[in-house]
Amino acid sequence: GNSVTQMEGPVTLSEEAFLTINCTYTATGYPSLFWYVQYPGEGLQLLLKATKADDKGSNKGFEATYRKETTSFHLEKGSVQVSDSAVYFCALSDRVGAQKLVFGQGTRLTINP
Amino acid sequence: ETGVTQSPTHLIKTRGQQVTLRCSSQSGHNTVSWYQQALGQGPQFIFQYYREEENGRGNFPPRFSGLQFPNYSSELNVNALELDDSALYLCASSGGGAALYNEQFFGPGTRLTVL
Repeated sequence: GNSVTQMEGPVTLSEEAFLTINCTYTATGYPSLFWYVQYPGEGLQLLLKATKADDKGSNKGFEATYRKETTSFHLEKGSVQVSDSAVYFCALSDRVGAQKLVFGQGTRLTINP
Repeated sequence: ETGVTQSPTHLIKTRGQQVTLRCSSQSGHNTVSWYQQALGQGPQFIFQYYREEENGRGNFPPRFSGLQFPNYSSELNVNALELDDSALYLCASSGGGAALYNEQFFGPGTRLTVL
């Protein structure tokens, strides 16, 4: 079945540092790929998405590129802020049927001032 | 535009009891998906309802059941609660149309504790 593997956390960085959170996936067919963010006490919010190979999703300074050859969708940000502290989830969705989301285990990110 | 709402926020039950969780979908959405998020884990898909019919189910036993109402709100019912059912239960609504992907909008969740 489909699965997502994320870089284990927690990750702690200083403000303005460069961020990479690794994500690889296993899927049949051509899934859509997502990064969701969960701030403390809140529900999941879609951060960015990519629906086909070589697409780059971007939002709020975060970027991720759909790499079919390496089955990866790594999340990057050039300069993190304290407000980026949250739990980040990589996920995929089949393009047919229920379009259920399959999530990785999450990576807790803490940014220190 | 009202987002996805869930009730209650927190719930404490004992093993063997039954529980009902509720979700109101975002205006204009006809599809509701339920996920279970155990502590420190990613959410796992329980099932999805589209226009009042179950439209896919994850690897959960039959004691997890659901309903969707004509206004597209939804309930998740869990019978014979077990300790491992303790988790955050997330509801997500989406448009359910023919788009390549219909973004799922998540509610804040219901935290269920089974003692």
